[in-house]
Amino acid sequence: NAGVTQTPKFQVLKTGQSMTLQCAQDMNHEYMSWYRQDPGMGLRLIHYSVGAGITDQGEVPNGYNVSRSTTEDFPLRLLSAAPSQTSVYFCASSYSSGTGGGKLFFGSGTQLSVL
Amino acid sequence: AQSVAQPEDQVNVAEGNPLTVKCTYSVSGNPYLFWYVQYPNRGLQFLLKYITGDNLVKGSYGFEAEFNKSQTSFHLKKPSALVSDSALYFCAVRDEGGGADGLTFGKGTHLIIQP
Repeated sequence: NAGVTQTPKFQVLKTGQSMTLQCAQDMNHEYMSWYRQDPGMGLRLIHYSVGAGITDQGEVPNGYNVSRSTTEDFPLRLLSAAPSQTSVYFCASSYSSGTGGGKLFFGSGTQLSVL
Repeated sequence: AQSVAQPEDQVNVAEGNPLTVKCTYSVSGNPYLFWYVQYPNRGLQFLLKYITGDNLVKGSYGFEAEFNKSQTSFHLKKPSALVSDSALYFCAVRDEGGGADGLTFGKGTHLIIQP
């Protein structure tokens, strides 16, 4: 059982480049999300999805796009990378609501550096 | 708006001693409370959660947490610390009526267990 799989683990971009961070889960979870982790700031929600075809913005959505064409996949796109997007990115999935909502399963993260 | 405060950036404990990592929260309705742990270069892992019922919640790796409604606190505890408990710990909260998208994380507390 793979859980939540993120690729790549490391990435270096130049300012202005675009890229897609991949995320897949095999637990048939309704809810998927992207967080960024910065020192001293904890985890901040970028975008989330409560099911295929449904996405919404989190706390820090600017500069990022998402789509959810299947239950399993939730890619995060950086359209024009900026140094401020240097961070560690985590994908997570969960049952969306009820008592299961909040027990998140996290991927291992992508460390992104934008030069 | 809901929020979580982890007042200590770092907690140092000698191996074998009891440990406490503090968390206070603010939420409009009844809280659902969570603790997560992050080991170096890994994603976050679920430790335990409080939904309702007994104020003392037991979780993974011998950890427990005590819910105190009057003090709006949810401190993480362990009777005897191990060096392997050294990690970054996050408290998180959501309102009873919300889903995983409504989860708010604290900034994290580094727990260092000294041999």
